[in-house]
Amino acid sequence: QKEVEQDPGPLSVPEGAIVSLNCTYSNSAFQYFMWYRQYSRKGPELLMYTYSSGNKEDGRFTAQVDKSSKYISLFIRDSQPSDSATYLCAMSINTGTASKLTFGTGTRLQVTL
Amino acid sequence: EPEVTQTPSHQVTQMGQEVILRCVPISNHLYFYWYRQILGQKVEFLVSFYNNEISEKSEIFDDQFSVERPDGSNFTLKIRSTKLEDSAMYFCASSEGPGVGTEAFFGQGTRLTVV
Repeated sequence: QKEVEQDPGPLSVPEGAIVSLNCTYSNSAFQYFMWYRQYSRKGPELLMYTYSSGNKEDGRFTAQVDKSSKYISLFIRDSQPSDSATYLCAMSINTGTASKLTFGTGTRLQVTL
Repeated sequence: EPEVTQTPSHQVTQMGQEVILRCVPISNHLYFYWYRQILGQKVEFLVSFYNNEISEKSEIFDDQFSVERPDGSNFTLKIRSTKLEDSAMYFCASSEGPGVGTEAFFGQGTRLTVV
């Protein structure tokens, strides 16, 4: 079983739709959960960061973590064509030293006019 | 806004040659990382670096790879003898802290093509 599973998509939605992106994980030691956005041939850009179960909201984006189910989600409200990108979930463990990120494969999102 | 800068953006090299990928992390960050992404695959951790030494490395980071912080601003990844399968995007990242309450910021990447 992969440590982090993410549906690669592609996911195509019309402009204005609510988008739901999800990851599951198997390692219960993961404590920190992040969502990155990656445009084609660019570096990952941090969108959301959380370390507790529950919801965290930032503008049109809401990150949700359910540690009991080992399931995280990213919701995008009022999606825009500029949201078209690959969305990567990433997780890490607090090792006390530099914590590596374990990424999902990424979900490619296309928001159409 | 501070950012992680990587050079070159694209490097083409012949198999067996040495390459050095360069990164300038965000100035007040203390933790540095290299990741790679083979085309169509996920971003994979290579190595983390703190206080002038490697904190952790993955099984990908074998003896052909090395990292160095030669001065107060640069962070480099050296591949001694490149192989075709080293072709990938290489991302440098930096963070203010070790991961507890801090986030890693990524550079735009260096696309390495080994021919």
